[in-house]
Amino acid sequence: SAVISQKPSRDICQRGTSLTIQCQVDSQVTMMFWYRQQPGQSLTLIATANQGSEATYESGFVIDKFPISRPNLTFSTLTVSNMSPEDSSIYLCSVETQSTDTQYFGPGTRLTVL
Amino acid sequence: DQQVKQNSPSLSVQEGRISILNCDYTNSMFDYFLWYKKYPAEGPTFLISISSIKDKNEDGRFTVFLNKSAKHLSLHIVPSQPGDSAVYFCAASARNTDKLIFGTGTRLQVFP
Repeated sequence: SAVISQKPSRDICQRGTSLTIQCQVDSQVTMMFWYRQQPGQSLTLIATANQGSEATYESGFVIDKFPISRPNLTFSTLTVSNMSPEDSSIYLCSVETQSTDTQYFGPGTRLTVL
Repeated sequence: DQQVKQNSPSLSVQEGRISILNCDYTNSMFDYFLWYKKYPAEGPTFLISISSIKDKNEDGRFTVFLNKSAKHLSLHIVPSQPGDSAVYFCAASARNTDKLIFGTGTRLQVFP
C-alpha cells in the first residue's frame, strides 16, 4: 500500500477564513479522493481529484467552497473556503493504485472552526 | 438515504472471544465491499475486502462473509484482542465506480 501524508494534521481557524490541506503520496497513484468526516458521522466523499483537469464533485459539494488541485500523480490539495463552524470536521485524502480496487487513507486533518 | 448501514453503534467483547460486526446495504449495484478500522486521530486502515462473486474471504484473524440475497455482510474477528478496540467501518462500491459509500461505524471494545 502507498504511504500517505497530510498537512496540517490539525488546525483551529476563524470563521470566514480559508485553509488549504495538502496530501502527498510516496508513489504515483491513479486516483485520489477527498472525504469529510463530521463529528459522530461517517465518511462522506467530497470529490475525486483528477490530475490535469477539474475535480469531480459529489452532490452537495461545490468547487467554490472546496477547490481542489492535483498538479501531478503524487500530490493534491483541498481548500476549505470561507469557513463556518459547520465545516469543523476531519478531512481525509485517499488513494487508489492501478493494481488494486482498494482505497488507502491518509491520517486526516482535524479542522476546528471557531 | 443511508445505503450502507451499521445498526450497532457499539460492541463489547471479551478478549479471546469472537467479535462479529454487521453491515447491511440497500443498493443491489454494489459489488465490492471493504472493512476499515479507525483509531482516534488516525485515518481509516484497510482490513479486508470481498467481491460479490465470493461469499467469504479470510485473512488471518479476520473473515468477511457476504450474503447477497440478504444484502448483508459481517466481519468476524477471532480471537479478539485488546488492540482490536477501534471503530470499524464497512464500505461498498458499485461496479465501474471508485466511489465508496461508508456505513456509520461500530465502536468495538475488547476487554481483558
